[in-house]
Amino acid sequence: NAGVTQTPKFRVLKTGQSMTLLCAQDMNHEYMYWYRQDPGMGLRLIHYSVGEGTTAKGEVPDGYNVSRLKKQNFLLGLESAAPSQTSVYFCASSGGGAGNNEQFFGPGTRLTVL
Amino acid sequence: SQQGEEDPQALSIQEGENATMNCSYKTSINNLQWYRQNSGRGLVHLILIRSNEREKHSGRLRVTLDTSKKSSSLLITASRAADTASYFCATDAGGSNYKLTFGKGTLLTVNP
Repeated sequence: NAGVTQTPKFRVLKTGQSMTLLCAQDMNHEYMYWYRQDPGMGLRLIHYSVGEGTTAKGEVPDGYNVSRLKKQNFLLGLESAAPSQTSVYFCASSGGGAGNNEQFFGPGTRLTVL
Repeated sequence: SQQGEEDPQALSIQEGENATMNCSYKTSINNLQWYRQNSGRGLVHLILIRSNEREKHSGRLRVTLDTSKKSSSLLITASRAADTASYFCATDAGGSNYKLTFGKGTLLTVNP
């Protein structure tokens, strides 16, 4: 099993460009999450999904959109990238369940917006 | 907003010593989890402790939880250079979305 994979691993964008980050999991998990990690800030939740076809806003959703058309995939889109979106992005998935909701993380995407 | 806050922000010890990291949080929780992140990698789940548990062990890891003080500690015994990483606590405040709120982490350096 590959677990959680993310593509691409690195990307450099110019301000105003758009891009989509792809997250895929092969664990049949219902729950998927997108985080960003900035120095000194820990992980902050951008958007999440509790199942195929559902999405919801997290702590820092502005400037991002997401889609969950298939259970195994969770896409994060930046419509018009800004330098403030320079960050490392992590996707995670979880099987849920009270008291047993550990999250499995992908390796991350390092994004630089110039 | 951050729910968990780790303390200290950074910790440097010698191989073989024990490392203790603390986490404080603000609201009631269903469970608290600890994760490790090696430099440039994703987070890896270490251990989960439920709100009705006070202590849990996993190999060289020992986690305690004090819900009255809203705090937890992670003890790594007999540390190794390979334990060098950032350690994060994460809290599950309940709800059907199973969201976690992460702290800012403790950077542990184990010197050979």
